[in-house]
Amino acid sequence: GENVEQHPSTLSVQEGDSAVIKCTYSDSASNYFPWYKQELGKRPQLIIDIRSNVGEKKDQRIAVTLNKTAKHFSLHITETQPEDSAVYFCAASKVGGSSNTGKLIFGQGTTLQVKP
Amino acid sequence: EAQVTQNPRYLITVTGKKLTVTCSQNMNHEYMSWYRQDPGLGLRQIYYSMNVEVTDKGDVPEGYKVSRKEKRNFPLILESPSPNQTSLYFCASSSREARNTQYFGPGTRLTVL
Repeated sequence: GENVEQHPSTLSVQEGDSAVIKCTYSDSASNYFPWYKQELGKRPQLIIDIRSNVGEKKDQRIAVTLNKTAKHFSLHITETQPEDSAVYFCAASKVGGSSNTGKLIFGQGTTLQVKP
Repeated sequence: EAQVTQNPRYLITVTGKKLTVTCSQNMNHEYMSWYRQDPGLGLRQIYYSMNVEVTDKGDVPEGYKVSRKEKRNFPLILESPSPNQTSLYFCASSSREARNTQYFGPGTRLTVL
């Protein structure tokens, strides 16, 4: 089955710096890769996603890149702010087909701390 | 307001005492799942349901049961809780059209003594 590895487990950056979180997946059939942000005591919320037919996607200060050949994808946050402090989860999934159950396989999570 | 709700939000119980965590969504979603979140392990799927009366095991189903008698509700049942089921539990739902885009409930923190 699919396995997703996420690194680093913790990341501390100064406000204004960039942060990069990396994930690798094992199943080459996975074709949908969402990122979730979980603030302390809150639920995970989708912040950005990418499909395998796209190499990069950007939304304001966050971007995600995908390398299908190497089976890894990354979350990039630029100009970090204290409110970016949270746990970030990557996930992999297979979209399409009648057998698609919507299942997400999550990485282990990265705790990002942005120091003012 | 579109939302997924869970109850209770916090629960402390003892080994062997049956409990149910409720989950309800008001978005008419077909797909619902239960996850548990443990430090260093991320979120792992316990059970999922693709529609009323259709449920199946996820990756860590041992010790749990679910039912889907109505589209909006998907309760998680622990018949005989054990300390290794101490965890943070999330219910999630998604539509048939975007089944991989899941919306999470607020979470239930369960402690089994």
